[in-house]
Amino acid sequence: TQLLEQSPQFLSIQEGENLTVYCNSSSVFSSLQWYRQEPGEGPVLLVTVVTGGEVKKLKRLTFQFGDARKDSSLHITAAQTGDTGLYLCAGVVGGGTSYGKLTFGQGTILTVHP
Amino acid sequence: NAGVTQTPKFRILKIGQSMTLQCTQDMNHNYMYWYRQDPGMGLKLIYYSVGAGITDKGEVPNGYNVSRSTTEDFPLRLELAAPSQTSVYFCASRPGTGETGELFFGEGSRLTVL
Repeated sequence: TQLLEQSPQFLSIQEGENLTVYCNSSSVFSSLQWYRQEPGEGPVLLVTVVTGGEVKKLKRLTFQFGDARKDSSLHITAAQTGDTGLYLCAGVVGGGTSYGKLTFGQGTILTVHP
Repeated sequence: NAGVTQTPKFRILKIGQSMTLQCTQDMNHNYMYWYRQDPGMGLKLIYYSVGAGITDKGEVPNGYNVSRSTTEDFPLRLELAAPSQTSVYFCASRPGTGETGELFFGEGSRLTVL
């Protein structure tokens, strides 16, 4: 079982459409991050959210951390072909010293067609 | 900037062989991690280190060993390779301050055990 469940696992859309990716858990996280990974490369950080209810915007990407710090979402407005990739949520479980160890969701493969 | 460098990028092993995946970072980061990535499973933590001479197990340590003799290097050793260790391995690092922070990943090492 995954501590962080991402949905959907696959998303295929047309350029210009909007989409939302969800990241859910029964555990409380002290922080949550979203990474993007392209084939043959390592994940690259998009954003970190640390406060329950926090919303961060990065151009066409909007990230939200749930009030209870158990879930997060990534919304992309007007998707572009360059958004194609694997999106991973990752969190640090709350409480105690974690040494920054991240627990990852299983990822969402996004394909944006021209 | 080199960042996190992993070698080799690709390797095929026979069952029972041993090998070492090399990882070096030039950012003077205290914390380093080894993850494995399997399709549909996200990244799973194998081992981590909070500084030279200090290592600890992650979620899936069986069949692996690590050492951290310097701040820069964090090699991962596979003893008696098994088909279940076929995966893409990522090394990552971050500064050792606070519980949150960006992980910087290498480009990955793709290992196949036949």
